[in-house]
Amino acid sequence: EIVMTQSPATVSVSPGERATLSCRASQSVSTNLAWYQHKPGQAPRLLIYGASTRATGIPARFSGSGSGTEFTLTISSLQSEDFAVYYCQQHHNWPPYTFGQGTKLEI
Amino acid sequence: EVQLVESGGGPVKPGGSLRLSCAASGFTFSNHNINWVRQAPGKGLEWVSSISSSSTYIFYADSVKGRFTISRDNAKNSLHLQMNSLRAEDTAVYYCARVGDGSGAFDIWGQGTMVTVSS
Repeated sequence: EIVMTQSPATVSVSPGERATLSCRASQSVSTNLAWYQHKPGQAPRLLIYGASTRATGIPARFSGSGSGTEFTLTISSLQSEDFAVYYCQQHHNWPPYTFGQGTKLEI
Repeated sequence: EVQLVESGGGPVKPGGSLRLSCAASGFTFSNHNINWVRQAPGKGLEWVSSISSSSTYIFYADSVKGRFTISRDNAKNSLHLQMNSLRAEDTAVYYCARVGDGSGAFDIWGQGTMVTVSS
């Protein structure tokens, strides 16, 4: 099973600032890495797939990078609606699909 | 509108059973693999089970293997999760999630249904 580790667990930033979230895989997942945004009481939302491709309707301020075992989600110029929990997920070697433990982005 | 809507959650005693459903609309359901993902209170996302578009391939997380059964009815655009021998640790919001065309990622999620296992 591929273990996904996200850091930090919580990041505090101000609106308008940039946030950088990290995700590490215990073994290579190539670029088969997705990022999701999850707000309380809502469905998770796909942001990035293939490590760097934005999903339909996702604003350009969200960008993903990385390959192999190291990945980054960058949110430039944070908006109030961006404060949420973010998860990475590998879909390279499954089952099982595995998620990171999440990074909470707070004001 | 492309959407997934879960139902069937609720309270159940340890050892009991529950059947969750997921209704799909707005897309060709029979073309997509579908998954169940859960989130226990205060915890992260955990993949539970996956079923291929024609039900040929079915997989389960070790934590539910032998207790849960995933199935689908493509004629009715519906997905099900039969949960037996429920435990307190199965308490979670259960989401159904579609695997996107060509992406491998879960591109459409339902709003979730809460399952509470407690005596």
